[in-house]
Amino acid sequence: GAVVSQHPSRVICKSGTSVKIECRSLDFQATTMFWYRQFPKQSLMLMATSNEGSKATYEQGVEKDKFLINHASLTLSTLTVTSAHPEDSSFYICSAIDSPNEKLFFGSGTQLSVL
Amino acid sequence: QKEVEQDPGPLSVPEGAIVSLNCTYSNSAFQYFMWYRQYSRKGPELLMYTYSSGNKEDGRFTAQVDKSSKYISLFIRDSQPSDSATYLCAIYSGGYQKVTFGIGTKLQVIP
Repeated sequence: GAVVSQHPSRVICKSGTSVKIECRSLDFQATTMFWYRQFPKQSLMLMATSNEGSKATYEQGVEKDKFLINHASLTLSTLTVTSAHPEDSSFYICSAIDSPNEKLFFGSGTQLSVL
Repeated sequence: QKEVEQDPGPLSVPEGAIVSLNCTYSNSAFQYFMWYRQYSRKGPELLMYTYSSGNKEDGRFTAQVDKSSKYISLFIRDSQPSDSATYLCAIYSGGYQKVTFGIGTKLQVIP
């Protein structure tokens, strides 16, 4: 299956700092990528839809100034958590659609811990 | 009514058992049906993908879709302890629309 690479897998940072998470589709071009957040023992919560070359579409309740998404190329989307606080600690996962096949593939996730 | 309903379990079965996981959905516009397996603190892994009613088999896994009833299933034969994970159904209408997920069923296969 197609591969989506997500980095870093784990990050620990101090409160007030910004953290960037990268999501790359390695063997297909992804016009659309999705960013999710997942709390322990809960399902995926869609944060935003990232479209190449245009502004991301955020789900209701997600602060667009807190979670900056950039989809500058067909293989790369980034999520920046700005001025992170302990309540932002969570597992963040990206996914990308392999559009000719209409299949959705996930990255391996990033565990963010804000101290 | 939620767009996708899935029993969260947990479901506990002995090794070797046949496991049946199910989801129902409400929107007939959904065209693509997927099952993912997620281990703790890992990204979901695509197991099965189908877009038509009927059965699709891959090794020990069989995905079944009944569009008339809006019901999808995943069967796991000869279940193994390594199958212990959370299984998510996912439904998609295509055209770069968002994918809708079930809440996930936690499965434990006991040796």
